[in-house]
This record gives sequence, C-alpha cells and structure tokens, in this order.
Amino acid sequence: AQRVTQPEKLLSVFKGAPVELKCNYSYSGSPELFWYVQYSRQRLQLLLRHISRESIKGFTADLNKGETSFHLKKPFAQEEDSAMYYCALMPGGSEKLVFGKGTKLTVNP
Amino acid sequence: EPEVTQTPSHQVTQMGQEVILRCVPISNHLYFYWYRQILGQKVEFLVSFYNNEISEKSEIFDDQFSVERPDGSNFTLKIRSTKLEDSAMYFCASSRQGASYNEQFFGPGTRLTVL
Repeated sequence: AQRVTQPEKLLSVFKGAPVELKCNYSYSGSPELFWYVQYSRQRLQLLLRHISRESIKGFTADLNKGETSFHLKKPFAQEEDSAMYYCALMPGGSEKLVFGKGTKLTVNP
Repeated sequence: EPEVTQTPSHQVTQMGQEVILRCVPISNHLYFYWYRQILGQKVEFLVSFYNNEISEKSEIFDDQFSVERPDGSNFTLKIRSTKLEDSAMYFCASSRQGASYNEQFFGPGTRLTVL
C-alpha cells in the first residue's frame, strides 16, 4: 500500500526561525516525491520535487530512503511562507499523486 | 499564465441527483485528472484520462462516476446518483505529459454539497 504521513497538522514558528515540515512515506518501490503548497484562497501548486533536486523559495527537501522520509526545510521562515503544505508521492509507472493530510504552517511576525 | 479553470465553484444538489463538474485544462496539456478532498481528509486521486480514455482509476471511481472530454477544451466528471458521502472539494488537474517530471497543474476546485 502507498501511504504518505505528515505527522503535524499544525506548525507555528516565528519569522526568521528555521522550519521543518515532516513527511514519511510507505511504498515498496522507488517513488517520486513532491511537495505541494496551497496559499490562502489560492490553488494547489507544486513547490518542489525530489527528482530535480531544486531549491524553491528557499525550501529544500532531501529524500532519505533509509528513513523513508522527505522532510521540507527552510533555514529562515518568512511570513509569506504561511500556507498549507502537502507531501505527495507518485508510485512508479503511475500518474496518480498520493497525498498526505497536509500541515498548516503559520509564520508569526 | 494559463490556468486550469473549473465551474461551478460551488454546487449544491439533492441526494440521488446527477451532477456534472466541468473543467477546462491548460490548452496544450494531454493528461487530465480528477481528485477530491472530503473536509478534513486527504486529497484523493479519482481518475486520470489520456487520449480519450481512462488511463488509471482508483477504487473510489466506481460505476457512479464517469469522465468525458466532450469537445476540444472541456473535461467533465459526472456523478450519476449522488450520495451524502460524495460531498467534497473536487479538483481537476492537467499535465503536458504523464510522467513524474511533468507537473500537474490544479484548478481552484468545485465544492460539491449533497443534501
């Protein structure tokens, strides 16, 4: 079974503090992993994907196959980072995205 | 920048009625998807569609559901006889290709309320 777990429903940090949003996955093969973000009153949009090893808006995520994790990190949070963050995996040979429940990040001034 | 659009933004219907949710994918995209999110739960995959046929579907996508691309622009999701548990936010998405390196672009969603 494919499953994505985001253990924190809510996460609150102060501006300038480091932030880490946790994501663990369960999948027997080699998944592709993604982080999607939904800002207030906006649509779901791709933040980053592990296959391209990019850093977007200061966020990075490293795939740890041993721990089956894909945590999202940013060294210095900004108020505009406040949003709902969803971790997702795409099983090999599939086009579907399997989402976690999401973490609501609030960055306080 | 082109975007996926969905209509209506909110649909209220009586249990047992048929509903059609409409989506206009980005024009040069070839793969289309429907997802849903029941309040407080995960975004769940329903179906993917390519070359005028279903390429993948989930267990949720039973005989009550169907999808269609009736013309060159619209992509619709039909629920034949709605149930209370069909109340959810329904998201349409499209991508240029179907592989994982091709981003799925999401629409704003249609909130379906079944009474």
